[in-house]
Amino acid sequence: KAGVTQTPRYLIKTRGQQVTLSCSPISGHRSVSWYQQTPGQGLQFLFEYFSETQRNKGNFPGRFSGRQFSNSRSEMNVSTLELGDSALYLCASSLAWAGANVLTFGAGSRLTVL
Amino acid sequence: KNEVEQSPQNLTAQEGEFITINCSYSVGISALHWLQQHPGGGIVSLFMLSSGKKKHGRLIATINIQEKHSSLHITASHPRDSAVYICAVRFQGAQKLVFGQGTRLTINP
Repeated sequence: KAGVTQTPRYLIKTRGQQVTLSCSPISGHRSVSWYQQTPGQGLQFLFEYFSETQRNKGNFPGRFSGRQFSNSRSEMNVSTLELGDSALYLCASSLAWAGANVLTFGAGSRLTVL
Repeated sequence: KNEVEQSPQNLTAQEGEFITINCSYSVGISALHWLQQHPGGGIVSLFMLSSGKKKHGRLIATINIQEKHSSLHITASHPRDSAVYICAVRFQGAQKLVFGQGTRLTINP
C-alpha cells in the first residue's frame, strides 16, 4: 500500500516568488491536512481539506492557500514568498477528520526562501 | 486559550532505561495524538487516544481526562528510539490539531 507522497522534496525560491506543493494521500483517504514546521514555532496547522472542501484553516495569512481534487490529491500554494516562509511543509492523510483519526504523514517538502 | 505543554523538552538516557514523556493540555479534548519524528523530518503516528491506555510493543500511552494529562512510556529503551516525540490534541469544539513543542529523546548505547 503506497504511503503519502509529497513533491517536491526540496526546493529553493527567492523572495516574492510563489510555490506550489503537492500531496497524494493514501488510497481511500479523503482528508488531507497541511502543516508548517519551523525551528522557532514547531508544528503548526495550516488547513485541512475533505472531499474537495476546505474544512479548517489555521492562523496563516491569505498568501497560503490550497485545494483538493476529486481524487483527493491536494496542493498548497504560497504566494509572494517571504524569508520566514522557509520551513518543512508536511501533509497528512486520514480516512476522515484529521484530529479524530489516525494520521499518515508524508516525508515533507523542505522550502528554502532566499 | 487552547495550549499543549510537553515535558521535558530534552531527555538523555542510557539504553535499557524506562522513559516517560509528559503532555498537559489546558481544556477538554476530543482526541490526543503521539507522534514520532526522526532526523530528516518524517513523522510517524504512534497512538491516537481519547481515554485509558494503549500499548504497542515497547510503547505505552496513557491519558487522564480529569487531570488533562497524557504520558508516553518507552520500556527497555534502545538507541533507535532516539527521536523527537510530539503530542498533538484536538480540543473539544475545534477541528484542528494543536501541537506541543516536542521532546527530544536521545538514548545512548
